[in-house]
Amino acid sequence: NAGVTQTPKFQVLKTGQSMTLQCAQDMNHNSMYWYRQDPGMGLRLIYYSASEGTTDKGEVPNGYNVSRLNKREFSLRLESAAPSQTSVYFCASSERVSGANVLTFGAGSRLTVL
Amino acid sequence: AQTVTQSQPEMSVQEAETVTLSCTYDTSESDYYLFWYKQPPSRQMILVIRQEAYKQQNATENRFSVNFQKAAKSFSLKISDSQLGDAAMYFCAYRPYNDMRFGAGTRLTVKP
Repeated sequence: NAGVTQTPKFQVLKTGQSMTLQCAQDMNHNSMYWYRQDPGMGLRLIYYSASEGTTDKGEVPNGYNVSRLNKREFSLRLESAAPSQTSVYFCASSERVSGANVLTFGAGSRLTVL
Repeated sequence: AQTVTQSQPEMSVQEAETVTLSCTYDTSESDYYLFWYKQPPSRQMILVIRQEAYKQQNATENRFSVNFQKAAKSFSLKISDSQLGDAAMYFCAYRPYNDMRFGAGTRLTVKP
């Protein structure tokens, strides 16, 4: 099925370890996003990429880096994981970064940092 | 600062009844978009309905409709003839340009 694929679905890290969350979409969308979801706080935007070759900070970018590898793929990297980064991470994509374009979400990746 | 506020952390409704979920937002923009997303236990985010701020007519999608009050910055979701499958977290979202902001969510329980 067409959509947004995230890997891994679950990951446990120790404080200070690094990891990369991978995201790929096959809908030929231009824009891609990374959100984190924490209890009682909804989803908060970490980074987004309006188009291939561009990335911009969202609401909570500290402690993260991103790479828009090509039109399909947008990865999120934690260089030195902290317990505060324990969360569920969602990747999403849309045709355009603005307007009424609907975001299509991946299934989420649950990250625990001990 | 919280841009989108959902004042009801939890709501419950009897099957076949109607329930309204509240959402307010803060903005100085005149043109923007509003959305309701549903997140069932599977964790998948599913679009329920969307509304363009420049449209006065309230959006409707089958059993789901909104009451959009632009001056009051209010965007409530009405679910009619509630079904067991409607049980989920519901998130209101506001999008002025390139950043979609979500509320904290309302957990809806449907009682048989």
